[in-house]
Amino acid sequence: AQRVTQPEKLLSVFKGAPVELKCNYSYSGSPELFWYVQYSRQRLQLLLRHISRESIKGFTADLNKGETSFHLKKPFAQEEDSAMYYCALFSGSEKLVFGKGTKLTVNP
Amino acid sequence: DTEVTQTPKHLVMGMTNKKSLKCEQHMGHRAMYWYKQKAKKPPELMFVYSYEKLSINESVPSRFSPECPNSSLLNLHLHALQPEDSALYLCASSQVPGGYQPQHFGDGTRLSIL
Repeated sequence: AQRVTQPEKLLSVFKGAPVELKCNYSYSGSPELFWYVQYSRQRLQLLLRHISRESIKGFTADLNKGETSFHLKKPFAQEEDSAMYYCALFSGSEKLVFGKGTKLTVNP
Repeated sequence: DTEVTQTPKHLVMGMTNKKSLKCEQHMGHRAMYWYKQKAKKPPELMFVYSYEKLSINESVPSRFSPECPNSSLLNLHLHALQPEDSALYLCASSQVPGGYQPQHFGDGTRLSIL
């Protein structure tokens, strides 16, 4: 069964510090992975997807098939990065499977 | 128009009422989705419509009845809901179904069952 694990429910860092939000997945085929972000009082929105290999708002994520991971990283966190982050797996059906989410707080 | 629009934003209803949630997109997307999101939890898939046909029903109780009248519109008809159905209901769309396309979400309808 497809599964996405985000081991940290809460993550707190100081402004300017590096941040890494962990995501591990379980899927036997070739996964398509996404990071979605939900800022306070805003809609859930796509942050990035592994296939596009781009950097959005300074965030990057690399798919590691050997470790079945898709961790989200940013070298210097900003206060406006505080939000709920969901890792999601698209498994080849029409379903998007979400992890339980990590709430990131960036302190001044 | 690059948004998914949901109405109403808030809805309070009794357990015997019948109401409908509406979702609209004008991006030409051919897949539309309903999700349920409880507080501090990830969205849970309820239904998927592909090219206006219901393709996935995640064993949702029959008191929730989806409808896709055309490619831009998705409704969720509610009847005889239970208090545990109180949640944020999200609509999403993607360019094509099953095509690894990112989903675009609406703001949701916050539903409270009295």
